[in-house]
Amino acid sequence: DTGVSQNPRHKITKRGQNVTFRCDPISEHNRLYWYRQTLGQGPEFLTYFQNEAQLEKSRLLSDRFSAERPKGSFSTLEIQRTEQGDSAMYLCASSFTGSTEAFFGQGTRLTVV
Amino acid sequence: ELKVEQNPLFLSMQEGKNYTIYCNYSTTSDRLYWYRQDPGKSLESLFVLLSNGAVKQEGRLMASLDTKARLSTLHITAAVHDLSATYFCAGNAGGTSYGKLTFGQGTILTVHP
Repeated sequence: DTGVSQNPRHKITKRGQNVTFRCDPISEHNRLYWYRQTLGQGPEFLTYFQNEAQLEKSRLLSDRFSAERPKGSFSTLEIQRTEQGDSAMYLCASSFTGSTEAFFGQGTRLTVV
Repeated sequence: ELKVEQNPLFLSMQEGKNYTIYCNYSTTSDRLYWYRQDPGKSLESLFVLLSNGAVKQEGRLMASLDTKARLSTLHITAAVHDLSATYFCAGNAGGTSYGKLTFGQGTILTVHP
């Protein structure tokens, strides 16, 4: 499978715990995006990388959220001290610079109890 | 800041009927995207519209773009049950935010016999 891969697919955590998600983009895609989708809403942009540089962060990305893409390949999204409001589907997408299209992964569904 | 609004938000159709989903956006968008999402699944790209007057068709779905009116439409012809899903449009502000998508709220389409 050469698509965007996200792990885990599902995560249930207790409030206050830290969680980390991983995204493996399509090989050689230099742009990588994170979105969050809550139930009944469209995805909302969180942040994106070009290679290893984080170029933009949404104001939705509070201090408890951090994203990295250390070698310009896979990326991780960490949420510290999770809250119930963090429950959502976290989507990753990747693209080439200059491409008209981004390809989305299957998402990680986070449930904070 | 780009804002994207879809209507209707809910659409219940009979098989064989035609209908249109509308997508309005607030400021200049570099391009306009349509995605399909099945319950619990990720986003499937349907169309990318790049310029004023662009029209694309795939099967029973046809998308168009009017940049002067800041309006895109997704027309469904002779609906079948398999088209039941949530449909999102998304715009792209371009410039330094190239690749960052702003999504509409989604239109939940249900096709019934």
